[in-house]
Amino acid sequence: QVQLVQSGAEVKKPGASVKVSCKASGYTFTSYYMHWVRQAPGQGLEWMGIINPSGGSTSYAQKFQGRVTMTRDTSTSTVYMELSSLRSEDTAVYYCGRVQGVIMPIDYWGQGTLVTVSS
Amino acid sequence: SYVLTQPPSVSVAPGQTARITCGGNNIGSKSVHWYQQKPGQAPVLVVYDDSDRPSGIPERFSGSNSGNTATLTISRVEAGDEADYYCQVWDSSSDHGVFGGGTKLTVL
Repeated sequence: QVQLVQSGAEVKKPGASVKVSCKASGYTFTSYYMHWVRQAPGQGLEWMGIINPSGGSTSYAQKFQGRVTMTRDTSTSTVYMELSSLRSEDTAVYYCGRVQGVIMPIDYWGQGTLVTVSS
Repeated sequence: SYVLTQPPSVSVAPGQTARITCGGNNIGSKSVHWYQQKPGQAPVLVVYDDSDRPSGIPERFSGSNSGNTATLTISRVEAGDEADYYCQVWDSSSDHGVFGGGTKLTVL
């Protein structure tokens, strides 16, 4: 069965970086794109970017350009999202979600990773 | 950038019909997907490509999309439908994903 398993919760200080992983199983890793979406406490879903695990190409939301990097490791079927220069407003649950094509829906989501930024 | 607008909240009595709208410029030309999210859980896809339902989603959930408005309709609303609902599209002009702000459905 399809599973997206994310890494555990993180606590970071302002200015630091965080790297969240999303390990895929149960399907052909390179056949599906992966979105990253975050949700601040009590807020809505916010799209961060997308990566094509096949070639590694990415597209990032303007808001995160220069601070976010999405990568993949095809040998372990894992995608990564690294966010740098963290500030308190980055405190959120970060989700990965797979799509078969960019206009298609997210049919499977990871369980979410809570990143807390606090001094 | 492309913007999707949803009402913050919708309230409906059990057994009635809830309609949640998602407004966007010429959204009728895009494929709209809808997600349900309950507290502490990841979102779940309930309608995709404007009006299709994933397996396991009740027929009570339906969708439409035309002009500048897409609509998620939940018929015969049940207490278990109380959740936040989000619309989502892919904006091909910017190669970005976009989510609406979300609508909290309250079952009275």
